[in-house]
Amino acid sequence: AQSVTQLGSHVSVSEGALVLLRCNYSSSVPPYLFWYVQYPNQGLQLLLKYTSAATLVKGINGFEAEFKKSETSFHLTKPSAHMSDAAEYFCAVSEGNQGGKLIFGQGTELSVKP
Amino acid sequence: NAGVTQTPKFQVLKTGQSMTLQCAQDMNHEYMSWYRQDPGMGLRLIHYSVGAGITDQGEVPNGYNVSRSTTEDFPLRLLSAAPSQTSVYFCASSQTILHYGYTFGSGTRLTVV
Repeated sequence: AQSVTQLGSHVSVSEGALVLLRCNYSSSVPPYLFWYVQYPNQGLQLLLKYTSAATLVKGINGFEAEFKKSETSFHLTKPSAHMSDAAEYFCAVSEGNQGGKLIFGQGTELSVKP
Repeated sequence: NAGVTQTPKFQVLKTGQSMTLQCAQDMNHEYMSWYRQDPGMGLRLIHYSVGAGITDQGEVPNGYNVSRSTTEDFPLRLLSAAPSQTSVYFCASSQTILHYGYTFGSGTRLTVV
């Protein structure tokens, strides 16, 4: 069964600094991987996805993530943090096109200091 | 298009009461799922469906029932509410996971007292 581990429940960065949110996955088949963002009191919005095409995936708001099979990782990065990036971020995995099951990690809350 | 619509947005139940959380989508999506969100635990999958008439259990199915009689609707039933079911519930749908990911509703905040 697939699973996701997000390292660090809280990450704090200064405005303009690099954002790095870590995600490791476990899957018995080639996975599809996703990052979602949740702003306070809102639903989840898709940031980006990996579906077995390019390993470096670009998403909305300047975020990107790199799929590394050897490390079973899909870390999310942004070169320069903005105050509006403060939110909770979730990594999720599905086992390709097998049955519609999407499993989430525990989430990482990102704080951005001025 | 309305997307994924969840009702109600807020609900308070007494222990032992039953209720149904409604979820409807107008995108003709085959896949639908219910999640609960609790602090520090992320989103946990309760039940999911890959099409009308087909449902399966997720990570935390106990205490919840679902059915999928139409493509559009995927209600979640709490048979006998317990305080441990106090949570925010999200419904989501997807045409396929391959290319679009899941689209989420705005959530239902449920409190069981």
